[in-house]
Amino acid sequence: DQQVKQNSPSLSVQEGRISILNCDYTNSMFDYFLWYKKYPAEGPTFLISISSIKDKNEDGRFTVFLNKSAKHLSLHIVPSQPGDSAVYFCAASGHPLFTGANSKLTFGKGITLSVRP
Amino acid sequence: NAGVTQTPKFQVLKTGQSMTLQCAQDMNHEYMSWYRQDPGMGLRLIHYSVGAGITDQGEVPNGYNVSRSTTEDFPLRLLSAAPSQTSVYFCASSYRGVAQYFGPGTRLTVL
Repeated sequence: DQQVKQNSPSLSVQEGRISILNCDYTNSMFDYFLWYKKYPAEGPTFLISISSIKDKNEDGRFTVFLNKSAKHLSLHIVPSQPGDSAVYFCAASGHPLFTGANSKLTFGKGITLSVRP
Repeated sequence: NAGVTQTPKFQVLKTGQSMTLQCAQDMNHEYMSWYRQDPGMGLRLIHYSVGAGITDQGEVPNGYNVSRSTTEDFPLRLLSAAPSQTSVYFCASSYRGVAQYFGPGTRLTVL
């Protein structure tokens, strides 16, 4: 039973346009959500996160939106650049300060983003 | 800081062999974990540790052992390798619950 779902395996966008990567979750106990970016032959790198008490978090070109009632989050990249081409993983956990296994992350399967020059 | 380091980068084993994947971090992080990544499966948690001397199972612990004798090191042991353990293994660490730092990975093939 997949608790974090990234239903679109791939996305291709033109350089300069917006990339929107979607993620859905089923476990209502998830309280903290993260996006990781992964290049081939490297480990994932943290991109941006959001706590369930917020509905938006922004960091430069990257914005994450959380719709808790719909159990849905999305990552917006504006403007998209060729260097953004990578696999993006959505991950979720309980609240980091309140759970014993505070960093026990559940990952989605990932979305491969291709940004065309 | 070197961050999270993993050795070896690549390994080929025969079925039934044992080996230890090494993971070390120099950031004094409490939390360390091991994931495996398989095609189309995302990353799945194998084992994790919330501090020295404390370990617990993740989503896919069977066939793997861990121990945490120091804050810095968190080795993953395969006692009797099986082809189903062919995967890319990532070690990660974090302070409390904030975002985890991942190592570069170990690509393991079991024949």
